[in-house]
Amino acid sequence: QKEVEQNSGPLSVPEGAIASLNCTYSDRGSQSFFWYRQYSGKSPELIMSIYSNGDKEDGRFTAQLNKASQYVSLLIRDSQPSDSATYLCAVRGGSNYKLTFGKGTLLTVNP
Amino acid sequence: DTEVTQTPKHLVMGMTNKKSLKCEQHMGHRAMYWYKQKAKKPPELMFVYSYEKLSINESVPSRFSPECPNSSLLNLHLHALQPEDSALYLCASSPGQGSYNEQFFGPGTRLTVL
Repeated sequence: QKEVEQNSGPLSVPEGAIASLNCTYSDRGSQSFFWYRQYSGKSPELIMSIYSNGDKEDGRFTAQLNKASQYVSLLIRDSQPSDSATYLCAVRGGSNYKLTFGKGTLLTVNP
Repeated sequence: DTEVTQTPKHLVMGMTNKKSLKCEQHMGHRAMYWYKQKAKKPPELMFVYSYEKLSINESVPSRFSPECPNSSLLNLHLHALQPEDSALYLCASSPGQGSYNEQFFGPGTRLTVL
């Protein structure tokens, strides 16, 4: 059974700070890793995908993957109140190609 | 066009009603998905269609019946639902079904079963 665990949260950071969201996964054969942002009452929005070890940057977002440690993270630089949302880590590959989600971390950015 | 659209946005139905949810994408994606999401929980996969054929059914009760009329459309037919089926129903699509394909979600249909 694939498991994806996220830090429980809620996570609260001041505006302008770096928000760090973490995720671990159990299936060592996992191949692809995604971060979705979900505002309250809305659908998940894909914000980052990462497939190989290292960092991937897109604007204020940086995804980091360490397959040896089975760990993936999302850093949000210069956090804004509009970043306040639930962030879902999702993992795919390995024993099956189903997208497995973590339970999500609620991030609040305080003005 | 990078959108997945879903209709209706909201649906209220009784336990004896029959209704359908609709999903459409024009990105040329060949895999489409139905998910169910309860409050404060992650999405749960229900069905996967690949090249218009049902490839995964996550042991969903038969009161949910999916249909893929063509490569752009995905329907979910609902019949004799229970109040516990009230949830946000999400459609998603991806270029293919393989691991490296990104999935994009539609806005969802908020379903309430009375």
